Amino acid sequence: DAGVIQSPRHEVTEMGQEVTLRCKPISGHDYLFWYRQTMMRGLELLIYFNNNVPIDDSGMPEDRFSAKMPNASFSTLKIQPSEPRDSAVYFCASRGQGGRETQYFGPGTRLLVL
Amino acid sequence: ILNVEQSPQSLHVQEGDSTNFTCSFPSSNFYALHWYRWETAKSPEALFVMTLNGDEKKKGRISATLNTKEGYSYLYIKGSQPEDSATYLCAFSGNTPLVFGKGTRLSVIA
Repeated sequence: DAGVIQSPRHEVTEMGQEVTLRCKPISGHDYLFWYRQTMMRGLELLIYFNNNVPIDDSGMPEDRFSAKMPNASFSTLKIQPSEPRDSAVYFCASRGQGGRETQYFGPGTRLLVL
Repeated sequence: ILNVEQSPQSLHVQEGDSTNFTCSFPSSNFYALHWYRWETAKSPEALFVMTLNGDEKKKGRISATLNTKEGYSYLYIKGSQPEDSATYLCAFSGNTPLVFGKGTRLSVIA
């Protein structure tokens, strides 16, 4: 398996633009997580899905952020409009059922909003 | 609120030294304790998933132990090498998403 796949790997955009980050989880994994890494907060959970259904989005910073999982092999995290403070590394991760399963991280998308 | 504490926050060791650090977690509703290795500019890499009290796992020069009754896990690195320099994260798994500690940042000086 190729592991968790994220695209793009790097994104530079201007304030006010829409940004869409993409994730393909490992095949067969039931859970998908979106994290953000910043210097100030470390690794923070934004939202997670179980069987394509959003379970908890309490970590999403504000209404400018939205996430979807239309099918078991694809998820998007969208920021509209983007702001400079959204600059961070965004990780997607997936795992199978059960808290004893290993959770695998994608390579991350490094976002810079100018 | 679940709290996962890691100590020390950072440490510097000489190449060849052995070192260890601690992860403290809630002892109730325990499913598993995960250890990750996170190199700068990369993504966290899974090291171990530990589930049973008294568990001891090993991967090369890295090993970990687990005490679920008192809520702690130790990670040991034997004969540290410069390539071991990274942040080591632990994460508690209950019936919720993983709760991560803030990590221990290890620097191995050649």
